[in-house]
Amino acid sequence: GENVEQHPSTLSVQEGDSAVIKCTYSDSASNYFPWYKQELGKGPQLIIDIRSNVGEKKDQRIAVTLNKTAKHFSLHITETQPEDSAVYFCAAGGYSTLTFGKGTMLLVSP
Amino acid sequence: DGGITQSPKYLFRKEGQNVTLSCEQNLNHDAMYWYRQDPGQGLRLIYYSQIVNDFQKGDIAEGYSVSREKKESFPLTVTSAQKNPTAFYLCASRRGGQDYGYTFGSGTRLTVV
Repeated sequence: GENVEQHPSTLSVQEGDSAVIKCTYSDSASNYFPWYKQELGKGPQLIIDIRSNVGEKKDQRIAVTLNKTAKHFSLHITETQPEDSAVYFCAAGGYSTLTFGKGTMLLVSP
Repeated sequence: DGGITQSPKYLFRKEGQNVTLSCEQNLNHDAMYWYRQDPGQGLRLIYYSQIVNDFQKGDIAEGYSVSREKKESFPLTVTSAQKNPTAFYLCASRRGGQDYGYTFGSGTRLTVV
């Protein structure tokens, strides 16, 4: 089955800095790579996703890059704000199911 | 507004009792999922269903059971056979077809004492 590794487990940045979270996956058949943001006590919310036929996707301050050959993908957040503080999960999969990474706790200090 | 509703938000049960967690969606989504979340463990798949009256085991199905009698509903029963049931349980749904994105509910925190 699919195995997803996510790093780092915690990330502290100053407001205005950039944050990068990286994930690797094992199953070359995976073709969908979403990122979710989870605030305390709530369910995860999709913030951006990318399919295997695309190398990069951007939505305002967030972007995702995918390297299919190396089987890794990354989330980039620019100009971080305190409200970006949350746990971020990457996932990999396709039509049937998604396998999630263990999460990164991002803390943005004012 | 369309969405996915989990109830209750907090649930306490005594050890040895079965308990059923509710998950209802009005998004007309085909597929539904149950994940378990433990600190530092990410989300682990318990069961999923892609169509009414059909479901498949995920990675950690032992001690759990589900049913999918209606498209809108996918209840999860945590049985007394689950050795460590205390956790945060998340239900999700997906439209199907070429739409792979999940919509999650707000979760149920189950504590077994």
